[in-house]
Amino acid sequence: QVQLQESGPGLVKPSETLSLTCTVSGYSISSGYYWGWIRQPPGRGLEWIGSIYHSGGTYYNPSLKSRVTLSVDTSKNQFSLKLNSVTAADTAAYYCARDPNPRSGYDYWGQGTLVTVSS
Amino acid sequence: DIQMTQSPSSLSASVGDRVTITCRASQSIGSHLNWYQQKPGKAPKLLIYAAYTLQSGVPSRFSGRGSGTDFTLTISSLQPEDIASYYCQQSYSFPRTFGQGTKVEIK
Repeated sequence: QVQLQESGPGLVKPSETLSLTCTVSGYSISSGYYWGWIRQPPGRGLEWIGSIYHSGGTYYNPSLKSRVTLSVDTSKNQFSLKLNSVTAADTAAYYCARDPNPRSGYDYWGQGTLVTVSS
Repeated sequence: DIQMTQSPSSLSASVGDRVTITCRASQSIGSHLNWYQQKPGKAPKLLIYAAYTLQSGVPSRFSGRGSGTDFTLTISSLQPEDIASYYCQQSYSFPRTFGQGTKVEIK
């Protein structure tokens, strides 16, 4: 069974960098697929942040592109998100998910982690 | 970027009612349209992919239709456990984009 688990600080200060890691079990990232990050501010809808291919190719949301970096570590079966210069508007539940191909949708999701930006 | 517009933003229906949610893309996306269900405090769950294919384990009262720019998600007989928010998402191109969501409540 494929499982994804987000980890990282739940509280980040304004102007600092938000860093999250998604650990995948039950499937080897190096075998393929895209791996994505999606966030959801409290009481609001889903916002796509970006996707990374198993070989390292990336796609980012244009509205966040200047502040986002995705990376993958196949040796640890993990992929990561860094979002710099955060503000209160970046407070959200952050989800990682698997994106097998354009015809499959995000089929496996992490449980999500709430990150609050506050001093 | 492809914009996804859902309607309605919320609806209230009785148990057993037929419920339909609409999703429109700003340009043709073929059949690269997915539907998710999200219950409070939980991660979204894939219901339907490629416009009409039911994800494994999803009840058959859920169905999807459409292609090009116009799509629908239908619940044939609303059940209490279907209370949730529903989102469409296009996987035709990057950046991936979601609709703004439809909150389904019981009348």
